[in-house]
Amino acid sequence: GAGVSQSPSNKVTEKGKDVELRCDPISGHTALYWYRQRLGQGLEFLIYFQGNSAPDKSGLPSDRFSAERTGESVSTLTIQRTQQEDSAVYLCASSRWTGPTQYFGPGTRLTVL
Amino acid sequence: GESVGLHLPTLSVQEGDNSIINCAYSNSASDYFIWYKQESGKGPQFIIDIRSNMDKRQGQRVTVLLNKTVKHLSLQIAATQPGDSAVYFCAENIGNNNDMRFGAGTRLTVKP
Repeated sequence: GAGVSQSPSNKVTEKGKDVELRCDPISGHTALYWYRQRLGQGLEFLIYFQGNSAPDKSGLPSDRFSAERTGESVSTLTIQRTQQEDSAVYLCASSRWTGPTQYFGPGTRLTVL
Repeated sequence: GESVGLHLPTLSVQEGDNSIINCAYSNSASDYFIWYKQESGKGPQFIIDIRSNMDKRQGQRVTVLLNKTVKHLSLQIAATQPGDSAVYFCAENIGNNNDMRFGAGTRLTVKP
């Protein structure tokens, strides 16, 4: 498709398990962002990839969170030893090199029991 | 650190009235701003943007106003419709690398 896609759309896991969330950006978009959105709250910046530059990891809340991106394609966000407070919608967005307008995916709803 | 914030977390308006959603920002170096609309269960969608060399920009039923003196941004929606009910976020460009940071959001509810 033409938009940003994310998978899975929903993920239910048990406390202590690891989860991996996937984002497929729009083709040709060099920048990719991950955000966390708790229920009824705003967007919390997690990490930002821009081309081959070192990613901006300043928003990652703990060392249990990590993300990778291969070139300018797919990105995965990994949460290790999940906690109940990790329950949220995780949004991915991408943008062109020439402009900051971000295009968002539908998000992955993570529920940690 | 510097961040984007919002004056009101919720706004309720009557269908057909005009809506005004406000946003305060604190980074005086920000040169680009975007308003996003997020409907329930979906990711945010671009509505309108404005650069710091402008103070007003109009779209279809929406107008964004920028007051750099007081670092204030607003989104005006004319003749608000039920389909406008959503959470609205403002975002600012905080650097030269297209990195945008988002405010907390305002939930707009349109009453029939």
